[in-house]
Amino acid sequence: GENVEQHPSTLSVQEGDSAVIKCTYSDSASNYFPWYKQELGKRPQLIIDIRSNVGEKKDQRIAVTLNKTAKHFSLHITETQPEDSAVYFCAASWGAGNMLTFGGGTRLMVKP
Amino acid sequence: EAGVTQSPTHLIKTRGQQATLRCSPISGHTSVYWYQQALGLGLQFLLWYDEGEERNRGNFPPRFSGRQFPNYSSELNVNALELEDSALYLCASSLPGPQHFGDGTRLSIL
Repeated sequence: GENVEQHPSTLSVQEGDSAVIKCTYSDSASNYFPWYKQELGKRPQLIIDIRSNVGEKKDQRIAVTLNKTAKHFSLHITETQPEDSAVYFCAASWGAGNMLTFGGGTRLMVKP
Repeated sequence: EAGVTQSPTHLIKTRGQQATLRCSPISGHTSVYWYQQALGLGLQFLLWYDEGEERNRGNFPPRFSGRQFPNYSSELNVNALELEDSALYLCASSLPGPQHFGDGTRLSIL
């Protein structure tokens, strides 16, 4: 089955800096890669997703890049703000409607 | 539009008991997914239902089971509860398409 590894497990940045979280996946058949943000005590919320026919996708301060050959994808957050502090999860699946395999999560702390 | 709703919010049980967790998907969504999130850990896939059928299950023992009703709502049943079952159980729904999560049920085993 699919295995997703996520690094780093914790990340501390200064407000205004950029943050990068990286994930690798094992199943070359995976073609859908969402990212979720989970604030303390709240539900995971989808913040961006990318499909394997696209190499990069951007939404305001958030971008995701995908390298199918190397089987890794990354989340980039620019101009970080304290409200970006949360746990971020990457995931992979075969098709957007299939079960997701999640990475272990990254706790991002943005210091004001 | 109402999001995914789960009940109860909290559930306290003792070892050996049975627990039933409920999930109502976003209106129009036919797929329901269950995930377990143990404290400080990531999300582990449990079960996937679509159009009333179980489509896939994760690496969990058979005492974890569920069903999906004709209105697409779903139940997760956990029998013979063990201490390590203590976790946040999250339900998600999709059209299919991107999955949207509920707030979860926190199950505590004493």
